[in-house]
Amino acid sequence: EVQLLESGGGLVQPGGSLSLSCAASGFTFSNYGIHWVRQAPGKGLQWVSTISGSGDNTYYADSVKGRFTISRDNSKNTLYVQMNSLSAEDTAVYYCAKGYSSGWSGTFDIWGQGTMVTVSS
Amino acid sequence: EIVLTQSPATLSLSPGERATLSCRASQSVNSYLAWYQQRPGQAPRLLIYDASNRATGIPARFSGSGSGTDFTLTISSLEPEDFAVYYCQQSSDWPLTFGGGTKVEIK
Repeated sequence: EVQLLESGGGLVQPGGSLSLSCAASGFTFSNYGIHWVRQAPGKGLQWVSTISGSGDNTYYADSVKGRFTISRDNSKNTLYVQMNSLSAEDTAVYYCAKGYSSGWSGTFDIWGQGTMVTVSS
Repeated sequence: EIVLTQSPATLSLSPGERATLSCRASQSVNSYLAWYQQRPGQAPRLLIYDASNRATGIPARFSGSGSGTDFTLTISSLEPEDFAVYYCQQSSDWPLTFGGGTKVEIK
């Protein structure tokens, strides 16, 4: 079964940092681009970042560019995002999501259950 | 940035009725449009990709149509589990963007 499992969420103070992980199983991880998508409480979905299967190409939403860094370890089938300079606007459930087809896909066919990040003093 | 506008914001219907949801893009996305369903407390689920292709395991009552800037998700006969929020999303250009969602609620 194809699965994604996020971890690392929690409460962090404004200006602080947090790192999230997404463990993948059930598919050849290195063949697929993986994405982070977030959802603020009671709001819609917002794409955050994407990394290619090899890890050579990364993309960011303007709202997180320069503060978030996406990375992956294909030997561990794990995706990461390092989040710095956090503000209340970053409070959200963070989902990792798998690209629909091998190579490049901006369609998300498998989603994790999400991990909550709360930025508050 | 490509803006996706979904309408209506809320759709109040009864089980068995037909639901028609709209998604309009601010510029052409060709057929690079997907639809997702999100039930309360759950992660989104892919329904339709490339505008009209049903994802694996999605019932035939869900169908997608359109290309360019105007897209439609149709649910032919609503089942109780279909009352949820639906989002469209484009993958034609960066940044990837979502519509604001349509809530399908029980009338």
